[in-house]
Amino acid sequence: SAVISQKPSRDICQRGTSLTIQCQVDSQVTMMFWYRQQPGQSLTLIATANQGSEATYESGFVIDKFPISRPNLTFSTLTVSNMSPEDSSIYLCSVGGGGAGQGIYEQYFGPGTRLTVT
Amino acid sequence: EDKVVQSPLSLVVHEGDTVTLNCSYEVTNFRSLLWYKQEKKAPTFLFMLTSSGIEKKSGRLSSILDKKELFSILNITATQTGDSAIYLCEPSGGGADGLTFGKGTHLIIQP
Repeated sequence: SAVISQKPSRDICQRGTSLTIQCQVDSQVTMMFWYRQQPGQSLTLIATANQGSEATYESGFVIDKFPISRPNLTFSTLTVSNMSPEDSSIYLCSVGGGGAGQGIYEQYFGPGTRLTVT
Repeated sequence: EDKVVQSPLSLVVHEGDTVTLNCSYEVTNFRSLLWYKQEKKAPTFLFMLTSSGIEKKSGRLSSILDKKELFSILNITATQTGDSAIYLCEPSGGGADGLTFGKGTHLIIQP
């Protein structure tokens, strides 16, 4: 298993500013994922961040809005840029672990960052 | 402290069997419970349950919530090998800073 920490745990930010969320893992992992969960919605994948390559963004998410860094195998950051109230959400990082056969991969989630944009 | 317990943690059945996955929870200011299917990548959303006793169905999958007893079940009938996955439940509340997931049920369907 993996232990994941995120900073900050919560923040209240003003419209137009940017916030960088940090994700730290206690072991080296290849795949890291960034999600958000907007109020009353399900978890939505923003991007997959593999060390040494550009992050892969899901439909509806772009690098200019959500730049991601992955400098090493234990750390990643997600920046929410030029924030608006619609960005108010919980942001979650996770890592993929080795799984059983049939291509099933376990995921371990960080505690999340609750962002409120005013 | 919020708690989520899923059972069983793992389950191996044969194609065609019916399975029932359980999720019990204690969450501050509970609002809804979500079920996800986790395969190779990101969890895939299955159901969101907010009201007790109302079954939600999608094909061979169905789920129901009991807010009095604080649990939910996910049923899969006529299982297929493509149902093999980890099934996660997430009780969503307004009190915690982050999200709370169960450890998941690792379901394997054998041909």
